[in-house]
Amino acid sequence: EVQLVESGGGLVQPGGSLRLSCAASGFTFSSYWMHWVRQAPGKGLVWVSRTNTDGSITTYADSVKGRFSISRDNAKNTVYLQMNSLRVDDTAVYYCARPRTTSGGAFDIWGQGTVVTVSS
Amino acid sequence: DIQMTQSPSSLSASVGDRVTITCRASQNINTYLNWYQQKPGKAPKVLIYAASSLQSGVPSRFSGSGSGTDFTLTISSLQPEDSATYYCQQNYNIPLSFGGGTKVEIK
Repeated sequence: EVQLVESGGGLVQPGGSLRLSCAASGFTFSSYWMHWVRQAPGKGLVWVSRTNTDGSITTYADSVKGRFSISRDNAKNTVYLQMNSLRVDDTAVYYCARPRTTSGGAFDIWGQGTVVTVSS
Repeated sequence: DIQMTQSPSSLSASVGDRVTITCRASQNINTYLNWYQQKPGKAPKVLIYAASSLQSGVPSRFSGSGSGTDFTLTISSLQPEDSATYYCQQNYNIPLSFGGGTKVEIK
């Protein structure tokens, strides 16, 4: 079965750090770009970051640039999101997502989401 | 950055009704437009990709159309299980962006 499973969320104080993980299975992970998308409570979907197949290209939304870092370990079929200098407005469910094809496109595989709460 | 504007933000319709949701991009995105359905507490699910292609396993009552800046998601005959929030998304360029969502309620 093709699936993504996120972990690593939790409660953290403003200014703190967390590392999210997304473990992939059921497909050739190393062939796909991977993305993170977040959703604040009661709000819409917001794209956060992406990485290419070998991790050499990374892109970020302006709201997280300089604070978040995406990486991947193809040997472990896992993509990570290192989140530093967390702010209250980073509170959200964080999803990892896979495009339909190795060339990109719509996200056809999503993880179940991991909840990040930034609060003092 | 490309802004995606959906309308309406919410609607209420009866089972069997034809429902239309629109999405407008702030610039030409060709057909790089996708539609998702999200139910409470769940991850989004892709319905339509590349503006008009039906994702495998999605009921044929869902359809998409449009190109350039104006797009439409149509549910031809609304079913109880279609109660959800629907999002459009452009993948024309980075940063990827989503519309604000349309909440569909069953009367």
